[in-house]
Amino acid sequence: NAGVMQNPRHLVRRRGQEARLRCSPMKGHSHVYWYRQLPEEGLKFMVYLQKENIIDESGMPKERFSAEFPKEGPSILRIQQVVRGDSAAYFCASSPGRVGEAFFGQGTRLTVV
Amino acid sequence: AQRVTQPEKLLSVFKGAPVELKCNYSYSGSPELFWYVQYSRQRLQLLLRHISRESIKGFTADLNKGETSFHLKKPFAQEEDSAMYYCALSGKGEAAGNKLTFGGGTRVLVKP
Repeated sequence: NAGVMQNPRHLVRRRGQEARLRCSPMKGHSHVYWYRQLPEEGLKFMVYLQKENIIDESGMPKERFSAEFPKEGPSILRIQQVVRGDSAAYFCASSPGRVGEAFFGQGTRLTVV
Repeated sequence: AQRVTQPEKLLSVFKGAPVELKCNYSYSGSPELFWYVQYSRQRLQLLLRHISRESIKGFTADLNKGETSFHLKKPFAQEEDSAMYYCALSGKGEAAGNKLTFGGGTRVLVKP
């Protein structure tokens, strides 16, 4: 089992462009969580998804951010019209169900220039 | 609102010395508490969860509901313990899932 895979590992975008971050959960895991880590801060919860459903998006900014976890394929975190403040490390975690250990990916470091 | 506070950003100790990482939380209810560790160039991984009451790599953590604390301790630090440590909290039950609230992290440096 390769673990939670996130790509790309590093992403550079100019202000106003779109960023798409991908997360492939561990085999057999149907629950995905996205977290954001700003410089010098801890991880902050963004969104919790199950296949084809958003369970909890209480940590997502109201505009420009969206997430999906389709029936087939990876979970995608999409940031439209990126701004400098979106520069951060974005981590994905997956678990087999609502309870049980969550396993983290290595993160995607987004830099907005 | 739930919150996790790790007051120390950096802890520097000598090999063989005891190390204690502080974690305080606020939560209206009975949370689950965790410690996660991130070694250099590796992914975040679970170290301890309070419900399992076990010792991993010599680390222990006791949940003190009166003081709302979940401090992580190891009596004799080793160089391989140098890493970033995060305390985290989750609401109990299936509704909360694995939605975690993290502290800001403590970097531990164990000197030879």
